[in-house]
Amino acid sequence: DQQVKQNSPSLSVQEGRISILNCDYTNSMFDYFLWYKKYPAEGPTFLISISSIKDKNEDGRFTVFLNKSAKHLSLHIVPSQPGDSAVYFCAPIPFTGANSKLTFGKGITLSVRP
Amino acid sequence: SAVISQKPSRDICQRGTSLTIQCQVDSQVTMMFWYRQQPGQSLTLIATANQGSEATYESGFVIDKFPISRPNLTFSTLTVSNMSPEDSSIYLCSVGQGFLSVEQFFGPGTRLTVL
Repeated sequence: DQQVKQNSPSLSVQEGRISILNCDYTNSMFDYFLWYKKYPAEGPTFLISISSIKDKNEDGRFTVFLNKSAKHLSLHIVPSQPGDSAVYFCAPIPFTGANSKLTFGKGITLSVRP
Repeated sequence: SAVISQKPSRDICQRGTSLTIQCQVDSQVTMMFWYRQQPGQSLTLIATANQGSEATYESGFVIDKFPISRPNLTFSTLTVSNMSPEDSSIYLCSVGQGFLSVEQFFGPGTRLTVL
């Protein structure tokens, strides 16, 4: 049972353009939604999160949008830079206190062309 | 954020042997997590490790295969026992940052290849 779906395994965009990475989920108990970025041979790095009581959270070039009724969220990166080339994971969490279990999607490989 | 290190960074092992992976954190944390990422797959939680108590394993993972130790608040080990090629994965530990924080921070991972 795949609770988190990142249906597009890869995305290629031109430097300076917008990257939009999508994530769908099925579990209505998820309270927070985290995005992680992973470079080869490194562990995932926390990027940005959004609470289920919000529909948008922005941090510099990164914005996450949440549509709770559609169980859909997206990460926007603008402008995209070559250093953004990495695998991006959507990881929702039910907030039952800190240190709750993360459920990861399969990830989207983003390639930003110079 | 916490600084997390793992040893070894990679290893190649023979079928039937065991490997112990170490995870060291630069600050005291209540809970540590062990994940596995098989080739082409997502990260899957193996178990949650509390200091001073038995680890809690996720469905599909058992203590005999993946024994975990958590002797103090900055250190944990995961052992992959009686290895088979299917155990070839990246193994990662992660930590939370406190009661009001939802983010987890990950170590660099251990890349295991079983021949």
